[in-house]
Amino acid sequence: EVQLVESGGGLVQPGGSLRLSCQVSGFSIRRIWMSWVRHTPGKGLECVANIKGEGGDKNYVESVKGRFSISIDNANNSLFLQMNSLRGDDTAVYYCGRGWEMGVWGQGTTVTVSS
Amino acid sequence: DVVMTQSPLSLPVTLGQPASISCRSSQSLVSGDGNTYLHWFQQRPGQSPRRLIYQVSARASGVPDRFSGSGSGTDFTLKISRVEAEDVGIYYCMQSTHWPGTFGQGTKLEIK
Repeated sequence: EVQLVESGGGLVQPGGSLRLSCQVSGFSIRRIWMSWVRHTPGKGLECVANIKGEGGDKNYVESVKGRFSISIDNANNSLFLQMNSLRGDDTAVYYCGRGWEMGVWGQGTTVTVSS
Repeated sequence: DVVMTQSPLSLPVTLGQPASISCRSSQSLVSGDGNTYLHWFQQRPGQSPRRLIYQVSARASGVPDRFSGSGSGTDFTLKISRVEAEDVGIYYCMQSTHWPGTFGQGTKLEIK
């Protein structure tokens, strides 16, 4: 069964850091693109970052460049999003997904940035 | 970034009646490889989004055939031939031709 399970969300103060994880089962992420998308009431759905399975190519939305870093662990079939210098407008539900086109979604993990 | 504009934003529909959602992009979604990466998603209350349609008109696995997608260039449509109660939710179009991928604002379908 294809399944994506996110974890690592929580409450963090502005300027803080969080590391999101996405455990993938049912397919190998080794040679495909994987993505992080976030959902906020104000801005809706937004593609944050994506990475090619073998780790060579990465893309980031402008608002997170220099603060977020996407990575993969092929051996454990997992995807990560390291989020530093968090701001209030990073508050969102974060989803991992298969491909640029988000063919499969996880259940999401909530990140709240607030003092 | 490519702006995706959906209409209507609210869609009350009688059970068994058809429904249609429009999605327009601010630039062509035809990729250099000739494909058009326009997709449709459904988000039921309390659930994650799930993909219904990919590349304009291909139904994802398990999606009922009452859902269909059409369009080209910058103008796309999702149609539901006969709305059922389980279709209640928010529908989003998304383009992944250009980075960053962008989504429409969402169309909330409800039963009259």
